[in-house]
Amino acid sequence: GEDVEQSLFLSVREGDSSVINCTYTDSSSTYLYWYKQEPGAGLQLLTYIFSNMDMKQDQRLTVLLNKKDKHLSLRIADTQTGDSAIYFCAETHLNTPLVFGKGTRLSVIA
Amino acid sequence: DTAVSQTPKYLVTQMGNDKSIKCEQNLGHDTMYWYKQDSKKFLKIMFSYNNKELIINETVPNRFSPKSPDKAHLNLHINSLELGDSAVYFCASSGQQGTEAFFGQGTRLTVV
Repeated sequence: GEDVEQSLFLSVREGDSSVINCTYTDSSSTYLYWYKQEPGAGLQLLTYIFSNMDMKQDQRLTVLLNKKDKHLSLRIADTQTGDSAIYFCAETHLNTPLVFGKGTRLSVIA
Repeated sequence: DTAVSQTPKYLVTQMGNDKSIKCEQNLGHDTMYWYKQDSKKFLKIMFSYNNKELIINETVPNRFSPKSPDKAHLNLHINSLELGDSAVYFCASSGQQGTEAFFGQGTRLTVV
Protein backbone atom coordinates (compact mmCIF):
# COMPACT_ATOMS: atom_id res chain seq x y z
CA GLY A 1 0.00 0.00 0.00
CA GLU A 2 0.94 3.63 -0.12
CA ASP A 3 3.34 4.95 2.48
CA VAL A 4 4.41 8.50 3.22
CA GLU A 5 7.37 9.16 5.52
CA GLN A 6 8.46 12.35 7.26
CA SER A 7 10.84 13.15 10.07
CA LEU A 8 8.87 13.93 13.21
CA PHE A 9 10.63 17.02 14.52
CA LEU A 10 12.43 20.10 13.20
CA SER A 11 13.71 23.07 15.15
CA VAL A 12 14.91 26.31 13.52
CA ARG A 13 15.75 29.84 14.58
CA GLU A 14 13.47 32.70 13.66
CA GLY A 15 14.55 34.22 10.37
CA ASP A 16 16.25 31.06 9.11
CA SER A 17 14.87 28.83 6.38
CA SER A 18 13.08 25.60 7.29
CA VAL A 19 13.18 22.56 5.07
CA ILE A 20 10.71 19.76 5.73
CA ASN A 21 11.26 16.55 3.80
CA CYS A 22 8.91 13.79 2.75
CA THR A 23 9.26 10.54 0.84
CA TYR A 24 6.46 8.47 -0.65
CA THR A 25 6.26 5.04 -2.20
CA ASP A 26 3.32 5.22 -4.60
CA SER A 27 4.75 5.77 -8.08
CA SER A 28 1.30 6.59 -9.42
CA SER A 29 0.93 9.58 -7.10
CA THR A 30 -0.50 12.41 -9.10
CA TYR A 31 -0.91 15.14 -6.54
CA LEU A 32 1.24 15.94 -3.52
CA TYR A 33 0.17 18.30 -0.79
CA TRP A 34 1.43 20.13 2.24
CA TYR A 35 -1.00 20.79 5.06
CA LYS A 36 -0.38 22.81 8.22
CA GLN A 37 -2.02 22.08 11.57
CA GLU A 38 -1.76 24.61 14.39
CA PRO A 39 -2.52 23.48 17.97
CA GLY A 40 -6.18 22.67 18.47
CA ALA A 41 -7.03 23.51 14.88
CA GLY A 42 -7.94 21.67 11.71
CA LEU A 43 -5.75 21.07 8.70
CA GLN A 44 -5.04 24.01 6.45
CA LEU A 45 -4.00 23.35 2.87
CA LEU A 46 -0.73 25.25 2.34
CA THR A 47 0.25 24.31 -1.15
CA TYR A 48 0.28 21.44 -3.61
CA ILE A 49 2.21 20.27 -6.63
CA PHE A 50 1.30 18.06 -9.55
CA SER A 51 3.57 15.14 -10.29
CA ASN A 52 4.58 16.58 -13.65
CA MET A 53 6.12 19.61 -11.96
CA ASP A 54 9.56 19.97 -10.34
CA MET A 55 9.06 23.09 -8.34
CA LYS A 56 6.37 25.46 -7.16
CA GLN A 57 6.88 28.74 -5.36
CA ASP A 58 4.24 30.65 -3.44
CA GLN A 59 5.53 33.65 -1.47
CA ARG A 60 7.71 32.23 1.33
CA LEU A 61 6.95 28.63 0.40
CA THR A 62 8.90 26.57 -2.12
CA VAL A 63 7.97 23.00 -2.95
CA LEU A 64 10.51 20.78 -4.67
CA LEU A 65 9.61 17.42 -6.17
CA ASN A 66 12.08 14.75 -7.22
CA LYS A 67 9.82 12.22 -8.86
CA LYS A 68 12.61 9.76 -9.59
CA ASP A 69 13.51 9.53 -5.88
CA LYS A 70 9.89 10.06 -4.77
CA HIS A 71 11.04 12.91 -2.57
CA LEU A 72 9.12 16.06 -1.75
CA SER A 73 10.29 19.02 0.28
CA LEU A 74 8.77 22.18 1.65
CA ARG A 75 11.02 25.16 2.22
CA ILE A 76 9.78 28.04 4.35
CA ALA A 77 11.89 31.16 3.91
CA ASP A 78 12.36 33.63 6.79
CA THR A 79 10.63 31.33 9.27
CA GLN A 80 8.52 33.13 11.86
CA THR A 81 7.19 32.02 15.25
CA GLY A 82 3.74 31.86 13.68
CA ASP A 83 5.02 29.08 11.44
CA SER A 84 5.31 26.76 14.46
CA ALA A 85 2.91 23.93 13.72
CA ILE A 86 2.73 20.37 12.46
CA TYR A 87 3.25 20.03 8.71
CA PHE A 88 1.76 17.06 6.93
CA CYS A 89 2.83 15.74 3.58
CA ALA A 90 0.05 13.93 1.69
CA GLU A 91 -0.20 12.14 -1.62
CA THR A 92 -2.99 10.88 -3.78
CA HIS A 93 -3.93 9.91 -7.28
CA LEU A 94 -7.31 10.03 -8.94
CA ASN A 95 -10.11 8.24 -7.09
CA THR A 96 -8.18 7.69 -3.89
CA PRO A 97 -8.35 9.68 -0.66
CA LEU A 98 -5.31 11.49 0.67
CA VAL A 99 -2.67 9.42 2.41
CA PHE A 100 -0.84 11.43 5.05
CA GLY A 101 2.62 11.24 6.53
CA LYS A 102 2.95 11.26 10.30
CA GLY A 103 3.61 15.01 10.34
CA THR A 104 6.69 17.08 11.13
CA ARG A 105 6.46 19.25 14.22
CA LEU A 106 8.23 22.53 13.43
CA SER A 107 9.43 24.56 16.40
CA VAL A 108 10.65 28.09 15.75
CA ILE A 109 13.01 29.53 18.33
CA ALA A 110 12.91 33.30 18.79
CA ASP B 1 -18.85 31.30 5.86
CA THR B 2 -17.24 28.09 7.10
CA ALA B 3 -16.57 25.71 4.21
CA VAL B 4 -16.58 22.45 6.20
CA SER B 5 -18.21 22.56 9.61
CA GLN B 6 -18.42 19.86 12.25
CA THR B 7 -20.39 19.69 15.45
CA PRO B 8 -19.72 19.33 18.25
CA LYS B 9 -16.15 20.55 18.62
CA TYR B 10 -15.72 18.68 21.90
CA LEU B 11 -17.47 15.53 23.07
CA VAL B 12 -16.89 13.83 26.41
CA THR B 13 -18.84 10.66 27.06
CA GLN B 14 -18.79 7.43 29.02
CA MET B 15 -17.83 4.02 27.69
CA GLY B 16 -20.73 2.15 26.20
CA ASN B 17 -22.64 5.24 25.09
CA ASP B 18 -23.72 6.01 21.52
CA LYS B 19 -22.83 9.37 20.00
CA SER B 20 -23.00 11.20 16.68
CA ILE B 21 -20.83 13.80 15.00
CA LYS B 22 -22.29 15.94 12.24
CA CYS B 23 -20.53 17.39 9.23
CA GLU B 24 -21.69 19.77 6.55
CA GLN B 25 -19.88 21.32 3.60
CA ASN B 26 -21.04 24.29 1.52
CA LEU B 27 -18.43 23.92 -1.22
CA GLY B 28 -20.63 21.94 -3.59
CA HIS B 29 -18.20 19.02 -3.41
CA ASP B 30 -19.20 15.50 -4.37
CA THR B 31 -16.82 13.64 -2.08
CA MET B 32 -16.66 13.65 1.71
CA TYR B 33 -14.42 11.86 4.19
CA TRP B 34 -13.94 11.02 7.82
CA TYR B 35 -10.39 10.87 9.15
CA LYS B 36 -9.24 9.88 12.62
CA GLN B 37 -6.25 11.59 14.26
CA ASP B 38 -4.82 9.73 17.23
CA SER B 39 -2.90 11.08 20.21
CA LYS B 40 0.35 10.97 18.22
CA LYS B 41 -1.27 13.16 15.54
CA PHE B 42 -1.30 10.37 12.97
CA LEU B 43 -4.12 10.79 10.43
CA LYS B 44 -5.93 7.79 8.98
CA ILE B 45 -8.78 7.66 6.50
CA MET B 46 -11.88 5.98 7.88
CA PHE B 47 -14.56 6.47 5.22
CA SER B 48 -14.98 8.07 1.85
CA TYR B 49 -18.35 8.93 0.31
CA ASN B 50 -19.05 10.11 -3.21
CA ASN B 51 -22.49 11.52 -3.97
CA LYS B 52 -23.96 9.85 -0.87
CA GLU B 53 -22.48 6.45 -1.77
CA LEU B 54 -19.87 4.70 0.37
CA ILE B 55 -16.65 4.32 -1.61
CA ILE B 56 -14.08 3.37 1.00
CA ASN B 57 -14.34 1.77 4.42
CA GLU B 58 -10.85 1.31 5.82
CA THR B 59 -11.32 -1.63 8.22
CA VAL B 60 -13.24 0.48 10.66
CA PRO B 61 -15.24 -1.45 13.32
CA ASN B 62 -18.93 -1.93 12.65
CA ARG B 63 -19.66 0.28 15.63
CA PHE B 64 -18.88 3.22 13.35
CA SER B 65 -21.66 3.94 10.89
CA PRO B 66 -21.46 6.92 8.55
CA LYS B 67 -24.63 8.33 7.06
CA SER B 68 -24.93 10.72 4.15
CA PRO B 69 -28.47 12.11 3.78
CA ASP B 70 -27.31 14.28 0.87
CA LYS B 71 -23.99 15.09 -0.70
CA ALA B 72 -23.48 18.13 1.54
CA HIS B 73 -23.68 16.13 4.76
CA LEU B 74 -21.77 13.18 6.16
CA ASN B 75 -22.53 12.26 9.75
CA LEU B 76 -20.70 9.72 11.87
CA HIS B 77 -22.53 7.62 14.44
CA ILE B 78 -20.57 5.56 16.92
CA ASN B 79 -22.18 2.80 19.00
CA SER B 80 -20.89 1.32 22.25
CA LEU B 81 -18.01 3.75 22.62
CA GLU B 82 -14.68 2.38 23.85
CA LEU B 83 -11.70 4.09 25.47
CA GLY B 84 -9.68 3.53 22.29
CA ASP B 85 -12.13 5.62 20.30
CA SER B 86 -10.77 8.74 22.00
CA ALA B 87 -9.25 10.84 19.22
CA VAL B 88 -9.88 13.86 17.05
CA TYR B 89 -12.21 13.11 14.15
CA PHE B 90 -11.93 15.25 11.04
CA CYS B 91 -14.47 15.61 8.31
CA ALA B 92 -13.24 16.72 4.89
CA SER B 93 -14.55 17.23 1.39
CA SER B 94 -13.10 17.45 -2.10
CA GLY B 95 -14.35 18.06 -5.61
CA GLN B 96 -13.43 14.50 -6.44
CA GLN B 97 -11.14 11.91 -4.90
CA GLY B 98 -7.56 12.64 -5.70
CA THR B 99 -7.82 16.42 -5.46
CA GLU B 100 -7.17 18.69 -2.51
CA ALA B 101 -9.37 18.11 0.49
CA PHE B 102 -10.72 20.82 2.76
CA PHE B 103 -10.99 19.96 6.41
CA GLY B 104 -13.32 20.86 9.23
CA GLN B 105 -11.97 22.00 12.58
CA GLY B 106 -12.22 18.54 14.09
CA THR B 107 -14.22 16.96 16.91
CA ARG B 108 -12.22 15.97 19.96
CA LEU B 109 -13.88 12.86 21.36
CA THR B 110 -12.92 11.75 24.85
CA VAL B 111 -14.30 8.48 26.18
CA VAL B 112 -14.05 8.05 29.94
